[in-house]
Amino acid sequence: GAVVSQHPSWVICKSGTSVKIECRSLDFQATTMFWYRQFPKQSLMLMATSNEGSKATYEQGVEKDKFLINHASLTLSTLTVTSAHPEDSSFYICSARTGSSYNSPLHFGNGTRLTVT
Amino acid sequence: RKEVEQDPGPFNVPEGATVAFNCTYSNSASQSFFWYRQDCRKEPKLLMSVYSSGNEDGRFTAQLNRASQYISLLIRDSKLSDSATYLCVVNRRGSQGNLIFGKGTKLSVKP
Repeated sequence: GAVVSQHPSWVICKSGTSVKIECRSLDFQATTMFWYRQFPKQSLMLMATSNEGSKATYEQGVEKDKFLINHASLTLSTLTVTSAHPEDSSFYICSARTGSSYNSPLHFGNGTRLTVT
Repeated sequence: RKEVEQDPGPFNVPEGATVAFNCTYSNSASQSFFWYRQDCRKEPKLLMSVYSSGNEDGRFTAQLNRASQYISLLIRDSKLSDSATYLCVVNRRGSQGNLIFGKGTKLSVKP
C-alpha cells in the first residue's frame, strides 16, 4: 500500500493565486522529504529538500520565495506555489524514504497535477 | 554531459520478448542505484534496487558495472502490463539521498 500520501491529486487555478500541496508520510516519520517537479516528457527534477523543524534546502534555480516549503511535523510537509503563473503548470511529486540509510529508495506520493490558467 | 542518460526509446516489443535497457551515469562517486517504473501521468514506483553483484527479481534482472558507470535492466517474457516508462535513478554524490533521475525509456509491449 501507499506509504506517502499527497493531496490534492490535481488542481486548476487562475494566474496570480497560490496553491498549497500537502505531503504526508503514512505510518512512519519522515524527517526529510523531497519535492520534485516533472514537465511533460522530461525527467523528474529535484526542487527542494524539506527538513522537519528547519529551513528547506532549495536546488539551484528554484525560487524559495515562490515555492514555500513548510515541514512542521514528522509526517507532514507542504509546498505552496505562490502567485502561480502558467509556466508553473507541472506535475509536482513529493517523496520520502522509509529506511534510515540514504541508500534506501524513495517512495513517492501520487503527485499533484497543477494547471495554471 | 547529463548526470544520468538513457535511451528514450520507445521500445516496441511483442509479448514474450526479452528487452534490455541501458543507462550511464557521470558521477563516479554515486553509491546507490535504482530502477523505477512510471506509468503515464502517474508517480514513479520502485521496481528494484541495483546491487554491485547484480540482482534478479522474477522476470527482471538488474546489473551494475561501476568501472563503466553503466546500469542495465533486462525484462524477460514481456507482459502487456510491463508497458511503462523505466527510469534509471542514481544518488548524488555526498548527498543525504537526493536522487537524480534519467529521462526514462518508454516500453510498449504489444499483443
